[in-house]
Amino acid sequence: QPQLQESGPGLVKPSETLSLTCSVSGASISSSSYYWGWVRQPPGKGLEWIGSVYYSGTTYYNSSLKGRVTILVDTSKNQFSLRLTSVTAADTAVYYCATPDPYSSAIDSWGQGTLVTVSS
Amino acid sequence: QSALTQPASVSGSPGQSITISCTGTSSDVGNYNYVSWYQQHPGKAPKLMIYDVSNRPSGVSDRFSGSKSGNTASLTISGLQAEDEADYYCSSYRITSTPVAFGGGTKLTVL
Repeated sequence: QPQLQESGPGLVKPSETLSLTCSVSGASISSSSYYWGWVRQPPGKGLEWIGSVYYSGTTYYNSSLKGRVTILVDTSKNQFSLRLTSVTAADTAVYYCATPDPYSSAIDSWGQGTLVTVSS
Repeated sequence: QSALTQPASVSGSPGQSITISCTGTSSDVGNYNYVSWYQQHPGKAPKLMIYDVSNRPSGVSDRFSGSKSGNTASLTISGLQAEDEADYYCSSYRITSTPVAFGGGTKLTVL
C-alpha cells in the first residue's frame, strides 16, 4: 500500500492559487495500479472529490470546480500535486491526497490531510 | 447538495444492527457495482470499509457488510460496538462529467 503525505501552505489569500504536493512512498508514481487523487472536506462538512490523475497524465476533475483545478504527476520526485486557482473562503478545507482504484474509484490509501485556510 | 443521499444520523445500542442507506440514480449506484463505504472518526482520515458494493478490504471486521438494490446501496453494521461510533460516507462511480461522488455522510451514534 502506498503511503501518502501532503505538504503545502496552510494559509492562502483570496483570489490566489492553492498549491499542495503529495509525496508517495511504498509505490512508484508511474505504477499502472493506481490513480492519484485529491479529496477535500470543509470544516464540519462532508467529503468532496476534487479529481485524479493517472501515471499517463490522464486526468479527471470535479466539474463543479469549473476549470480552476489542475492535478499533475512528477515522476522524478515520486510526487503529485494539486493547484486550485482563484480561491475563496469556500475553498477552506482539509485536503487529502488519496489513491482511487483505476476501476472502482475506491480509495484504500489516504494521506493524513492538511488544513488549508483561505483568508486575507 | 451531495449527488448521493444518506440519512444525516442513525443510532443503535451495543450489540444491535444498523443499516445506512445511500440513494443515487441510474447514472451511478443503479448501473454500476462501484459503491464504496468509508468510516471517519473525528480528526482522522477516512478508512475504506467496503468496496465494489459488498467487498471488505483485508483487516475490516466481518460485522460490516454492503449490498445494493436498484438505485440504493446499504451498509449494515452488526453487533454494534462503541468504536463503531463515527461518520460514514458512501461513494460511487458515475457516468457524468464528475466521475466520482460522495454522499453527504451519516453520523452513527452508539447509545
